[in-house]
Amino acid sequence: DAKTTQPTSMDCAEGRAANLPCNHSTISGNEYVYWYRQIHSQGPQYIIHGLKNNETNEMASLIITEDRKSSTLILPHATLRDTAVYYCIVRVATDSSYKLIFGSGTRLLVRP
Amino acid sequence: GAVVSQHPSRVICKSGTSVKIECRSLDFQATTMFWYRQFPKQSLMLMATSNEGSKATYEQGVEKDKFLINHASLTLSTLTVTSAHPEDSSFYICSATLQGTWTDTQYFGPGTRLTVL
Repeated sequence: DAKTTQPTSMDCAEGRAANLPCNHSTISGNEYVYWYRQIHSQGPQYIIHGLKNNETNEMASLIITEDRKSSTLILPHATLRDTAVYYCIVRVATDSSYKLIFGSGTRLLVRP
Repeated sequence: GAVVSQHPSRVICKSGTSVKIECRSLDFQATTMFWYRQFPKQSLMLMATSNEGSKATYEQGVEKDKFLINHASLTLSTLTVTSAHPEDSSFYICSATLQGTWTDTQYFGPGTRLTVL
């Protein structure tokens, strides 16, 4: 089962910041939080990931709470092309590798 | 960088036939590849983890004799759906792990839409 819970849907206005929350209260100390998004009928696109520090790249910022039980993905200036399903995922270790267990995600609609 | 391709992008086949889907990492070597399945309006479901040169590890409930996975090289993994039936119609997506990075980020292919008549 997925270790994350997210709102089913959100919307924001074009040009404004989109803040997508995620709860992962059972996360272990060495498990990373990953964010992907999926535009209809395409493969998921990697956005960002983090362990405990806040992270920023050209696509987004990731804010992780100090207790690591929740995080927020921030798209600073949302565009219409950011409309997608956003998945917050806790990467879990296996015997030989890691795996991602996808939850239901948040459907973000960016309004003109 | 970190581009993953799949072929074909779309396939239609008759019930009872077998279908092979290829997943390639184009600009990096992938020690581990993953196969997912996604039904309409649902999330991705991990089917199996494939390590180069060894047998794939299947998730609970996924039939290994029906979904044959081969990871013969560091840039290619194949999924063969054997004796396909209409209930196997789905969107199949692979991902590959960028070798040598400390975080093992998965990069996904564009997906293959399988329709079984």
